[in-house]
Amino acid sequence: GAVVSQHPSRVICKSGTSVKIECRSLDFQATTMFWYRQFPKQSLMLMATSNEGSKATYEQGVEKDKFLINHASLTLSTLTVTSAHPEDSSFYICSAREPNEETQYFGPGTRLLVL
Amino acid sequence: SQKIEQNSEALNIQEGKTATLTCNYTNYSPAYLQWYRQDPGRGPVFLLLIRENEKEKRKERLKVTFDTTLKQSLFHITASQPADSATYLCALDETGTASKLTFGTGTRLQVTL
Repeated sequence: GAVVSQHPSRVICKSGTSVKIECRSLDFQATTMFWYRQFPKQSLMLMATSNEGSKATYEQGVEKDKFLINHASLTLSTLTVTSAHPEDSSFYICSAREPNEETQYFGPGTRLLVL
Repeated sequence: SQKIEQNSEALNIQEGKTATLTCNYTNYSPAYLQWYRQDPGRGPVFLLLIRENEKEKRKERLKVTFDTTLKQSLFHITASQPADSATYLCALDETGTASKLTFGTGTRLQVTL
């Protein structure tokens, strides 16, 4: 099956700093990538949908100026958490979809801890 | 309001038995329903997809049923093994294009010897 990687797997940062998370599709071209957030014992919540070469579409309640998404190529999308605060601590997971595919392939996730 | 409900309590099963997990939904009209496995600290892994016009789908020891009248999907693992222990998530796809998946909270399955 299709493989999606994320980097870093874990990151600890100080409050007020920015953190960038990378999501790559390793063996396919992903026209669409998705960013989710998952708090402990909760479901995955879609944050935004990113299409290559265009602006991301954010879900209601997600601040686009705080969570910057760039999808500059068909194999790479980045999520930057700007001015991170402790409440942004969470598990961030990306996924990618191949054209004409009926499912999404998920990355291994990035654990963010903001002190 | 829209809801996707999975048993929040863990399901404990003895090895070799069949595990049955439930996904109920309210105020959705999914074209597809998908099941994923998630291990602690990892991203979800796709298992099975069933379409609204399909009643049942099988893959090796896995079976999924989909009842659009009851608004329910059942996920079965036969001859369960300790390696099947994980959290299982159902996800609804109303578009049928995987362009937006809405996940349930998942059910944790524990298979013991």
